[in-house]
Amino acid sequence: EVQLVESGGGLVKPGGSLRLSCAASGFTFTNAWMSWVRQAPGKGLEWVGRIKRRIDGGTIDCAAPVKGRFTISRDDSKDTLYLQMNSLKTEDTAVYYCVAGLGTSDLDDWGRGTLVTVSS
Amino acid sequence: DIVMTQSPDSLAVSLGERATINCKSSRGLLCGSNSKNCLAWFQQKPGQPPQLLISGASTRESGVPDRFSGSVSGTDFTLTISSLQAEDVAVYYCHQYYSAPLTFGGGTKVEIK
Repeated sequence: EVQLVESGGGLVKPGGSLRLSCAASGFTFTNAWMSWVRQAPGKGLEWVGRIKRRIDGGTIDCAAPVKGRFTISRDDSKDTLYLQMNSLKTEDTAVYYCVAGLGTSDLDDWGRGTLVTVSS
Repeated sequence: DIVMTQSPDSLAVSLGERATINCKSSRGLLCGSNSKNCLAWFQQKPGQPPQLLISGASTRESGVPDRFSGSVSGTDFTLTISSLQAEDVAVYYCHQYYSAPLTFGGGTKVEIK
């Protein structure tokens, strides 16, 4: 069974930083394209970015609102995905989901999410 | 960026009746060698993460009831729930994975009339 467990969320002041982690199990992590998707309170889904698997070049794509501030990385030896968030803004407040693309679509299996609140 | 325009924003349907959700993409989503559309549908129940229902515009995921179906005509995509059940109350999102940035429709809230 695919399991994705996010951690690292919390309350941070505007301009601050936070690092999210996602521990993966139940599938071959090295074969997956991994993404972060966020959802602001009461709002829809917004793709944050993804990192492809090493065999596909490990390419990283990010959405325009977070480009230059957020960095996605992965540690295949630890089956873990990361999201480093810098220069946080109030509009970054959201539940952040870790999502695995296992070949069906890019967003096949989702974690339960971790809440990030940016507020003074 | 590919824009996904989803309608309606909300929908109230009687139990056992049909629910239809529409999604229009700003460009074609045909991808891969099998001429599938890179279009997925998700269901999100309150307090839960989204769940993949359909990929390739019309292929149901394992375990998804056959009352859910997806269809496509050009750049117009449709999710149909043939006979609405109480457990289908949720928000439904269309999503294109044709190219980055990946994008979603705005969501359709389905309720019981």
